[in-house]
Amino acid sequence: NAGVTQTPKFRILKIGQSMTLQCTQDMNHNYMYWYRQDPGMGLKLIYYSVGAGITDKGEVPNGYNVSRSTTEDFPLRLELAAPSQTSVYFCAVGVTEAFFGQGTRLTVV
Amino acid sequence: DQQVKQNSPSLSVQEGRISILNCDYTNSMFDYFLWYKKYPAEGPTFLISISSIKDKNEDGRFTVFLNKSAKHLSLHIVPSQPGDSAVYFCAASDRGSGTYKYIFGTGTRLKVLA
Repeated sequence: NAGVTQTPKFRILKIGQSMTLQCTQDMNHNYMYWYRQDPGMGLKLIYYSVGAGITDKGEVPNGYNVSRSTTEDFPLRLELAAPSQTSVYFCAVGVTEAFFGQGTRLTVV
Repeated sequence: DQQVKQNSPSLSVQEGRISILNCDYTNSMFDYFLWYKKYPAEGPTFLISISSIKDKNEDGRFTVFLNKSAKHLSLHIVPSQPGDSAVYFCAASDRGSGTYKYIFGTGTRLKVLA
């Protein structure tokens, strides 16, 4: 039982490149979230989804896009990577408590 | 605008003593609160939660207290153990809005000294 799986674990991007951070869950939760953690800044909510086909913006959505075509998958897309997007990204699922993945450490240079 | 604040970036406590981590919030619509623990290179893990209809919730060595009038919650760890050394985040949600978004504080790094 994997829970919440994020890929890749690490990635280095050049400015202007694009990439997709993958998040897959086997917990059958409707609610899924993307957070970023910057040093000393806690976790900031980027986007969240309350079910397949339904997504909404969080606190810091600019520069990101999401889609939710299935219950299991909630990918996060960066279209034009910028140095300000260097961060650790966490996917989470759940309602009364959120279960987090291991994170993706992204560096934009 | 930081809706959830943890004003102490770090805390050191001797093993066996009580650790008290504090969290303040500004949004009076928050009605559900959680504490998470995070080790380096891992995702946060859920510790304990409390609904706004309660003022205390216990789970083993962990107790969360909620003071709604002060918009303040605290996490007590008794007794503290070296394995408790981690970053602790509080989070809040306005479940009444039906969206279940969690807003996190900036974290407090707890170090338990052996």
